[in-house]
Amino acid sequence: EAGVAQSPRYKIIEKRQSVAFWCNPISGHATLYWYQQILGQGPKLLIQFQNNGVVDDSQLPKDRFSAERLKGVDSTLKIQPAKLEDSAVYLCASSLGGGIDTQYFGPGTRLTVL
Amino acid sequence: GQNIDQPTEMTATEGAIVQINCTYQTSGFNGLFWYQQHAGEAPTFLSYNVLDGLEEKGRFSSFLSRSKGYSYLLLKELQMKDSASYLCAVREYSGGGADGLTFGKGTHLIIQP
Repeated sequence: EAGVAQSPRYKIIEKRQSVAFWCNPISGHATLYWYQQILGQGPKLLIQFQNNGVVDDSQLPKDRFSAERLKGVDSTLKIQPAKLEDSAVYLCASSLGGGIDTQYFGPGTRLTVL
Repeated sequence: GQNIDQPTEMTATEGAIVQINCTYQTSGFNGLFWYQQHAGEAPTFLSYNVLDGLEEKGRFSSFLSRSKGYSYLLLKELQMKDSASYLCAVREYSGGGADGLTFGKGTHLIIQP
């Protein structure tokens, strides 16, 4: 079974530029999550989708971050404009949804903002 | 909200046993997860506890005490490849189906020959 796919793996941009990350979850997984992991810390949830609807975006900095999952499969996370403190690894995870679901993580996108 | 604490770093010897502790505070506990994360890689699932007691899976075991807000991950017969960060994460009851995890900062485990 294929795992969670993410691209790009690495991205370097200058502050105030825009950037987008893509995630393809495990086939059949209804729930998709975006996490931000700053160096030396644990992942922090940004947003959770159930199919194509947002379940939780309480920790998403909505003035600059946006995410969508239009057809309930792939998802895109965007940052516009980027700040230095956005330098982190952006992890996508998916789960079947409901119950004692395990979340499976993709390899992440490492973003460096200069 | 949640507060999750675990040691920053631990060192152990190949072939030995190590216990990584995690304490948490939450208003609506709905499960505790342990993940392993090698440097530069994604977290991989190790174990899940929702009821008190010990869950064993090969060389790895995880224990939970809900009344104490406490869990530990036990690694036996340590191998060099076990050098990694170990993340404790808590899931909380929330309305509307929200079940994102809150992670601790992770414990960096160093295995020495």
